[in-house]
This record gives sequence, C-alpha cells and structure tokens, in this order.
Amino acid sequence: DAMVIQNPRYQVTQFGKPVTLSCSQTLNHNVMYWYQQKSSQAPKLLFHYYDKDFNNEADTPDNFQSRRPNTSFCFLDIRSPGLGDAAMYLCATSRAGEREQFFGPGTRLTVL
Amino acid sequence: KQEVTQIPAALSVPEGENLVLNCSFTDSAIYNLQWFRQDPGKGLTSLLLIQSSQREQTSGRLNASLDKSSGRSTLYIAASQPGDSATYLCAVRPPGFQKLVFGTGTRLLVSP
Repeated sequence: DAMVIQNPRYQVTQFGKPVTLSCSQTLNHNVMYWYQQKSSQAPKLLFHYYDKDFNNEADTPDNFQSRRPNTSFCFLDIRSPGLGDAAMYLCATSRAGEREQFFGPGTRLTVL
Repeated sequence: KQEVTQIPAALSVPEGENLVLNCSFTDSAIYNLQWFRQDPGKGLTSLLLIQSSQREQTSGRLNASLDKSSGRSTLYIAASQPGDSATYLCAVRPPGFQKLVFGTGTRLLVSP
C-alpha cells in the first residue's frame, strides 16, 4: 500500500543534542510537509518542500532545518533541541494541484 | 490571518447516538476543508475533503457539510460506536497556499 512512513516513532534526546527525524513516502507526491503538534494543540506547519523548493513558515525557529535529498525522503533536523521542542512531529504529503494531504503516523519527540 | 475554531472541545455520548461536530473559520476564502481523525499518540487519518465549490461529502456513516459564506463546517456521525472515540480535527487550506490551518479538535468519547 502507498503510504507515508516516519522513523523513529519515538525519539528521546537530550537538551541541546542534535536530532534528525525521517519521513519517506511511496505516493510519489511532489509536496512534503512537516508539522509540529504540541500536547492538546493544533498541528502547526513548520515548512514544506514543493519538489526541491524549500518553503519556510515565517515563525519557524532557525533551530529547525529540513532536507529533501530526493522525491521519496524528507528529514527534519533540530539543531539544539530545547524542552519546548518536545512534541509530535507529523510528516504529510500531497500531489501539487491535487487536494488532499496524507499524513504519516508521527514521531513523538521527548527532550530530557 | 485564518483562524479555525472547533466546538465543543470535548464530547461524551452513549453508543448509537447521532452527533454533530462543529468547525468555524474566520476567512471564507478557502480552497478546501479537510476533516481528520486522530487517535491518542497517533498521526492523522483523513476522513473527508470538501472542495470550496462543494456543499457536502459523505463516506459511510460520516457526512461533512460546508457553508463557506458563514465560515462553518459540520461533521455528522450517524449511529456512533465506541470505535469512533478519537479527536476530530478540521483544517482549511487557504487559496494560494499549500499549508493547512488546523483547529484544536473535538475529543469524542463514545461509551458502550
């Protein structure tokens, strides 16, 4: 089945220790997104890739970076995680010009 | 700036009841509206997508309506079941943007 896969599902890191979250998709979609969802809050878009073009949201902290080496994979790098970065990180994809976004199962990040 | 509100924040019903979840948005200029289900600690599952030109969409026991002029959408769940227990999120896509703007969700509990 075509799908969006996120690894790992649970990630524990230490304050200030860089961490990378991974997303892959078999849908061959042009657009890939990273959302952050803190406890009991709405998901909030951090950035997205439209093909190779990176689009950062204005209020996304510089601490968050992303890479998309090919169509299938997209990574979220947190350079120096703080306690406030503990959240569920959701990857999503869509076909440009089409309508629906498809989400992965998320990675729960804990910062100690 | 588009804002999405969902009322109620939580809802508890006995099995078999029909129920309505509400979503309102401040800017009627939207490209589409999507309803999602989120189980605790999990990612988002897309339930229904309504294009801005549509009035409603149906999938099984679910029916979503859209009144763009009043900035409202409702998700109707018929004959609720304990397995419907989850958080339901609505999200709108502003025109010209790839991102979704989410509400904070309605947490639904259906008791046997």
